[in-house]
Amino acid sequence: GAVVSQHPSWVICKSGTSVKIECRSLDFQATTMFWYRQFPKQSLMLMATSNEGSKATYEQGVEKDKFLINHASLTLSTLTVTSAHPEDSSFYICSAAPPALYNEQFFGPGTRLTVL
Amino acid sequence: QKEVEQDPGPLSVPEGAIVSLNCTYSNSAFQYFMWYRQYSRKGPELLMYTYSSGNKEDGRFTAQVDKSSKYISLFIRDSQPSDSATYLCAMSVIKAAGNKLTFGGGTRVLVKP
Repeated sequence: GAVVSQHPSWVICKSGTSVKIECRSLDFQATTMFWYRQFPKQSLMLMATSNEGSKATYEQGVEKDKFLINHASLTLSTLTVTSAHPEDSSFYICSAAPPALYNEQFFGPGTRLTVL
Repeated sequence: QKEVEQDPGPLSVPEGAIVSLNCTYSNSAFQYFMWYRQYSRKGPELLMYTYSSGNKEDGRFTAQVDKSSKYISLFIRDSQPSDSATYLCAMSVIKAAGNKLTFGGGTRVLVKP
């Protein structure tokens, strides 16, 4: 159980375009989902916490207008990178937290974004 | 100073050896400790979760917490080439569903056949 999927697994886009990444919890409902960014050989950097039905909470230094997060249902959160630039190229990973489990997060497989 | 410090490695061991990983932390409020394994270009996978000082065993994995020293460890017995991955420690202050975690930088492990 506790499977989280992400789509797409990789995407290449031109500078200036927007890219949407989906995160789904497949076999449980997640009131809270998290979005992370990971650069090569570095750890996870939390970007924002997404709560179903409310606005996301962004970490310091993360531009909320650039990284739009929507958590419209208990099984789906989306991250949209708006007006992407080459410096936005990274590995984006989401995680979902089941309401019945304390502190545990289950991670998706990640999405590799390359902006040309 | 980072809240959670973890040696980045790489840590190279021969197959069958014990892998020893550790993290130190500065925030004494951390109460809940997790170890994740991450293969290249994949999302992290939860290995162990503990919330008290002492040892917790699960198969070949043993997690150890020493709150007085602010030090946690993960031991992998009888290591296999398939254990080659990056291991991340993570910590949390409160016991709550949907609570955010603080991660260490990860240690890259290579088990050579």
